[in-house]
Amino acid sequence: DVKVTQSSRYLVKRTGEKVFLECVQDMDHENMFWYRQDPGLGLRLIYFSYDVKMKEKGDIPEGYSVSREKKERFSLILESASTNQTSMYLCASTNSGGDTEAFFGQGTRLTVV
Amino acid sequence: ELKVEQNPLFLSMQEGKNYTIYCNYSTTSDRLYWYRQDPGKSLESLFVLLSNGAVKQEGRLMASLDTKARLSTLHITAAVHDLSATYFCAVDGEYGNKLVFGAGTILRVKS
Repeated sequence: DVKVTQSSRYLVKRTGEKVFLECVQDMDHENMFWYRQDPGLGLRLIYFSYDVKMKEKGDIPEGYSVSREKKERFSLILESASTNQTSMYLCASTNSGGDTEAFFGQGTRLTVV
Repeated sequence: ELKVEQNPLFLSMQEGKNYTIYCNYSTTSDRLYWYRQDPGKSLESLFVLLSNGAVKQEGRLMASLDTKARLSTLHITAAVHDLSATYFCAVDGEYGNKLVFGAGTILRVKS
């Protein structure tokens, strides 16, 4: 059974804190993604990575950074959390080429107070 | 820039009725995906459509793809309450197999 696992289901952090969201996949996928989901806006891509140590900005990268030191792990970092980063964060992975069906983690609901 | 538009954004329907959700996208792509999301849960893959004219069916749901019209439809036949969820379509973006998602269609099936 394929698995994408996010480290936390729920997080509450204070404004200004540095926040780490972790995602691990066991499918040996090349590509990994971080999305945030907000009501009425669908899923918006924050960053993605197509290989170890390789990353590209998505549509809304401001206020975020990422790290991919190992193929199976992709971390999202909020350098200084702000209340407008309160959201649901979803990690996904896909293989390269052919069918690029994405597999999603269970999501992390982050609240910044 | 690739844009993906779904409509309707909210759909309330009676059990037993049929309805169609539409997904339009703005650039050429021959790969489209449909996902389902239950409240508080993550996204679950429903259909992968990989070519023009592709049609896939699973139970009461049928998805089709017209790449020339840049349109995919998700047809619901004889809706049941268990189909209540949010449905997303997504299209392959640029390099890196980046998926671009629509805003989602919230479906509520009333008994």
